[in-house]
Amino acid sequence: QVQLQESGPGLVKPSETLSLTCAVSGYSLSNGFFWGWIRQPPGKGLEWVGTVYPTGNTYYNPSLKSRVTISVDTSKNQFSLRLSSVTAADTAVYYCARPRISVANNPFDIWGQGTMVTVSS
Amino acid sequence: EILLTQSPGTLSLSPGERATLSCRASQSVRSSHLAWYQQKPGQVPRLVIYGDSTRATGIPDRFSGSGSGTDFTLTISRLEPEDFAVYFCQQYSILPLTFGGGTKVEI
Repeated sequence: QVQLQESGPGLVKPSETLSLTCAVSGYSLSNGFFWGWIRQPPGKGLEWVGTVYPTGNTYYNPSLKSRVTISVDTSKNQFSLRLSSVTAADTAVYYCARPRISVANNPFDIWGQGTMVTVSS
Repeated sequence: EILLTQSPGTLSLSPGERATLSCRASQSVRSSHLAWYQQKPGQVPRLVIYGDSTRATGIPDRFSGSGSGTDFTLTISRLEPEDFAVYFCQQYSILPLTFGGGTKVEI
């Protein structure tokens, strides 16, 4: 079955760039499908960060659009999130996820375990 | 952007009771574009309902979704101990995808 695993630094300094990777197993990104990032600040709700299709089409949350980049590396079967100029407000658990069907606007039914990222000096 | 407001914030019930969770949208959500997730402490969100009322794989039939337009409801007919969790609604009618703030169902 499809499995997702996030990886990346757990601590990022303010004003620096947060970089996370989601390794996909059980499915080849070369076959398409949309892939997304969602985040959840401690004790709070969920926020959609963005979604990518392997051809390069990306969809971002307007609240983050100027700072976020999501990309796909089909050779490594993974996709990545970069969030620049981070502040304490970006402290959250970051999840990678796949929607139930391959459209950009669809609920996510496969999730990674999540990775906690803290923004602090 | 469609804002989703969930109520109540916390629902205190006992096993065997019926739970009714509300999700209200700031503008009309396209038909069959509302989902519900369950999240237990320290766990990953789990899709419960999509398409307004369709149960996701493995979700028992005590869970049901209903509603249209701007008002949606998740009902758990008889609470089991494993149902106590936080529930989030999500609209996927338009981008950006948005989530409600959550309802905690506690004992």
